[in-house]
Parts: sequence; C-alpha cells; structure tokens
Amino acid sequence: AQTVTQSQPEMSVQEAETVTLSCTYDTSESDYYLFWYKQPPSRQMILVIRQEAYKQQNATENRFSVNFQKAAKSFSLKISDSQLGDAAMYFCAYRRYGNKLVFGAGTILRVKS
Amino acid sequence: DTAVSQTPKYLVTQMGNDKSIKCEQNLGHDTMYWYKQDSKKFLKIMFSYNNKELIINETVPNRFSPKSPDKAHLNLHINSLELGDSAVYFCASTTQELQGTHYGYTFGSGTRLTVV
Repeated sequence: AQTVTQSQPEMSVQEAETVTLSCTYDTSESDYYLFWYKQPPSRQMILVIRQEAYKQQNATENRFSVNFQKAAKSFSLKISDSQLGDAAMYFCAYRRYGNKLVFGAGTILRVKS
Repeated sequence: DTAVSQTPKYLVTQMGNDKSIKCEQNLGHDTMYWYKQDSKKFLKIMFSYNNKELIINETVPNRFSPKSPDKAHLNLHINSLELGDSAVYFCASTTQELQGTHYGYTFGSGTRLTVV
C-alpha cells in the first residue's frame, strides 16, 4: 500500500521569508501524481500544486514550487515570500492513475508578522 | 456556481440518530469520494463511486452507506450515530479521463458532524 509521510508536524516562518515543507512517499509504481493541498481555518481543501512523476521538471505556481526527487521518493514544497494568508495546514498527497488519493498527516504552517 | 457543494455544513445530533449528508458536483466529473477527517486532521478515504458504481469501500462500519443516484451526486447516510463518528466529512470529485485534467480532486467545503 502506498504511504505518504510528512515528518514535520508544525513549521514556522517569518513573513516574507522562505520555508520548505517535507514529504516522502512509498510506492512501487513508476507512474503517479503528487499534490500539495492547503487547508486554512475555513477547512476548505485547496490544491496548491501538482507534479506528474514522469516529468523531470519541478512544478512551479507563483510563490510555490516543489523539489521532486523521484529516486529518493521525496516531494518537498517551497513557499517563497511567505504571506500571512499562507498560514494553514498543508497536506502532501499521492495518487496513482485511476486510484484513490492518499494523504500525509499534514504540517501546520504558522506565519509570523 | 460552486463546483462541489455539500449540505449541511454543520450537523449536531444525538447518539443513535440517523443522518444524511448530501454532495453534488457540477464539474462533469465521473468519480466521487467521501473522506473523513478526524480530530487530528488525518484524512482517510471511506468510499468512491465511478459513474454510480461503488469502486472503493474501505474498512468502514456498515452503519455508513453511500448512495449515488447519478454521477453528479453522492450522498452519505449514517445510521445509529456514535460519539466516535464526530468528524469533518469531505466530498470530492475527479475524472478518470486521460485528457485535460490535473488528476487532483476538487473538494467540497466539508460537513462538521458532532454527535452528542
């Protein structure tokens, strides 16, 4: 079974600085998808960024980028120029095509002004 | 124009009652899910339907019964509610098609169920 591990229960970052959230996963598949979701206090699940495993290039969405290391099964999220609105729970998730989305336990991100 | 809508957003009920949560998506997706988020925020899949057919049924008490009248709707009925059923329940949808999708899920805003 696929598992997703987020080893940082909680992280803090100063406003305008950069923070990296870690995620590792376990799979025997070669074709799959990885995601980061954000859950603010409103509890809405918001897709932040996604990565297809067959793509070597790391995905980027504005201030959010990933470091995808397929061999190491690592998928970290970097948030640049952190803003107060980035404060939320962040979930790393894995999905094999046609299969269910499996989530990590989440990392609480606190942004200090 | 909400993509995935769940009702109700909040539900407070007594132990032993039966309740339903409704979910509808207008994205044209063919697959819908129910996830449970517990008090520690862990998200775990419960059920999945593809074109009205049950395709995933995780280890969930049979007091929980999903129903999909069509591919745009997936409801969750819970019988004989227990204190441990208190959680946030999320509906989500996606498509299994190959073209033009990001293969992620679109989530509803969640239903916070409190059993007293």
